[in-house]
Amino acid sequence: DGGITQSPKYLFRKEGQNVTLSCEQNLNHDAMYWYRQDPGQGLRLIYYSQIVNDFQKGDIAEGYSVSREKKESFPLTVTSAQKNPTAFYLCASAQQGKNQPQHFGDGTRLSIL
Amino acid sequence: SQQGEEDPQALSIQEGENATMNCSYKTSINNLQWYRQNSGRGLVHLILIRSNEREKHSGRLRVTLDTSKKSSSLLITASRAADTASYFCATDSTGGFKTIFGAGTRLFVKA
Repeated sequence: DGGITQSPKYLFRKEGQNVTLSCEQNLNHDAMYWYRQDPGQGLRLIYYSQIVNDFQKGDIAEGYSVSREKKESFPLTVTSAQKNPTAFYLCASAQQGKNQPQHFGDGTRLSIL
Repeated sequence: SQQGEEDPQALSIQEGENATMNCSYKTSINNLQWYRQNSGRGLVHLILIRSNEREKHSGRLRVTLDTSKKSSSLLITASRAADTASYFCATDSTGGFKTIFGAGTRLFVKA
């Protein structure tokens, strides 16, 4: 079955530590996205990529970094510079183009130890 | 940046009743989408309506779009307990590839 997989489901970060969230898709989608969701809130865009080896900052990119070396993979690193990382992180993919329907993974919940 | 804003923030109904959620946005759009999110899960795409369409149906879902009022509504008919979820509208951003999500309506359907 085609889909998008995020791992791990739960992640704990120690102060000063960088952590990386995995996102893999086998839908052959060109575009991939990372969102942050805080309790009771909507989604805020962290980074997005329309094509391999290219990505753009979203609305809240500070303290985060990404890479897009392969079409299938779009890992997100939460760096120590992100002072309030506790949130639910969602990855999505879509066909290339404006506002195409997005397919979401089941998220990673990140907490601070 | 433009944003869809859902109304109401929360809605509680009995099974079998209809549920209506509204979304307002601020600037011109190419299309508007509705998504559902079950607790602790990712979003699932429900329906997309283009700016030149006024109404669209999919099963028990009916979406309307009024571009003159910059608003959309999602109607779920004959609701079921399994419809309990958060519902989000999403619009495209002017001139870019970002999708802007609203804060969502939390729907609770009582059995």
